[in-house]
Amino acid sequence: AQTVTQSQPEMSVQEAETVTLSCTYDTSESNYYLFWYKQPPSRQMILVIRQEAYKQQNATENRFSVNFQKAAKSFSLKISDSQLGDTAMYFCAFMKQFAGGTSYGKLTFGQGTILTVHP
Amino acid sequence: GAGVSQSPSNKVTEKGKDVELRCDPISGHTALYWYRQSLGQGLEFLIYFQGNSAPDKSGLPSDRFSAERTGGSVSTLTIQRTQQEDSAVYLCASSPGGGSLNTEAFFGQGTRLTVV
Repeated sequence: AQTVTQSQPEMSVQEAETVTLSCTYDTSESNYYLFWYKQPPSRQMILVIRQEAYKQQNATENRFSVNFQKAAKSFSLKISDSQLGDTAMYFCAFMKQFAGGTSYGKLTFGQGTILTVHP
Repeated sequence: GAGVSQSPSNKVTEKGKDVELRCDPISGHTALYWYRQSLGQGLEFLIYFQGNSAPDKSGLPSDRFSAERTGGSVSTLTIQRTQQEDSAVYLCASSPGGGSLNTEAFFGQGTRLTVV
């Protein structure tokens, strides 16, 4: 079984600054996907960024980037130039990968980090 | 519709009553999941449907919980004899699945269930 741990229940940052959210996970799998999802007050979960474990290069999506350390089983999210609209709960999640790169859709989530961006 | 649709948005029920929560996935998505999110908590996996395969029910917390998916599309999560600890937001998600390399799960806005 997999576990995902987010050790920061709450974080805050000033607008335009950079913030890093932490995530660690535990698994015996070699191949998997990692995700960061954002949940604003509307409750709508939105995919922020995805990382394939076999890729050494860290994923980036505009202002969002990850620091993926496979050996340490660490997957942190960096948000640059924070905006008020980034205020949300952020979840780190794990998905097992089968041979051929196909996925098994069950996502295992961390407990979440509430991020508040202050003007 | 363009996204995952869940109904109702909010449901208040009396303890002991049965409730049904509905999920309309994105058209063409073969994978469908239900998660439960208790207040301020992470998402707890409940059940996973993939095409015509037997569903993965390993996350259902008790035999009061059941789910079905008709015609490979709409899904209903049923909670019998509701208890106060069942109060939570129930989230549904779908993804292309079926061996697709597209791993993104698209979520609905959830049903907030309150048991009084």
